[in-house]
Amino acid sequence: DAGVTQSPTHLIKTRGQQVTLRCSPKSGHDTVSWYQQALGQGPQFIFQYYEEEERQRGNFPDRFSGHQFPNYSSELNVNALLLGDSALYLCASSPRGTGSSQAEAFFGQGTRLTVV
Amino acid sequence: GENVEQHPSTLSVQEGDSAVIKCTYSDSASNYFPWYKQELGKRPQLIIDIRSNVGEKKDQRIAVTLNKTAKHFSLHITETQPEDSAVYFCAATPPEYGNKLVFGAGTILRVKS
Repeated sequence: DAGVTQSPTHLIKTRGQQVTLRCSPKSGHDTVSWYQQALGQGPQFIFQYYEEEERQRGNFPDRFSGHQFPNYSSELNVNALLLGDSALYLCASSPRGTGSSQAEAFFGQGTRLTVV
Repeated sequence: GENVEQHPSTLSVQEGDSAVIKCTYSDSASNYFPWYKQELGKRPQLIIDIRSNVGEKKDQRIAVTLNKTAKHFSLHITETQPEDSAVYFCAATPPEYGNKLVFGAGTILRVKS
């Protein structure tokens, strides 16, 4: 079991550009969440996908959007990048069946995005 | 919405001593409380969790206690080892948000040998 995999591992972009990050969930998991972790802080929830729909959203602007595919993999898109978007972006996957609010979340290794 | 506070922000202990990290949460409806360990440059790893119908859970050297009345929960690590050095995050999950995790700010644990 490869666990949760994310690509790419590192990325450097220029202000104003757009970026797409990818996530493959752990085998058997169908729910994918995205988090932003700024340096020295705890992860902040961006949104969650289940059955190819955005189910929950945190306090992030519309520049942040996502998608989930039929195979449960997911993408995070960020438009009009700002310097403040520089962070570690983490994907977490969960099984749906244990009572969704109490489902364990397993994280990928993250994508380190640097905006210059 | 849910808010989680975590203390202390840094903790230094001697190898073999115990370490305790405390978190408080604001939403009394939160019902799931995981703890994650994150080593430098690595993914957060789930080390233990507790659900709201349980007051204490133990796994070898690690234990978590939950006080629903006071809305706080704690991580206890006994017989600390240098490899326990990492950043530890607590989190809470309000039930109406699926399993959206609301994290504390983290505790840097240093175990001195």
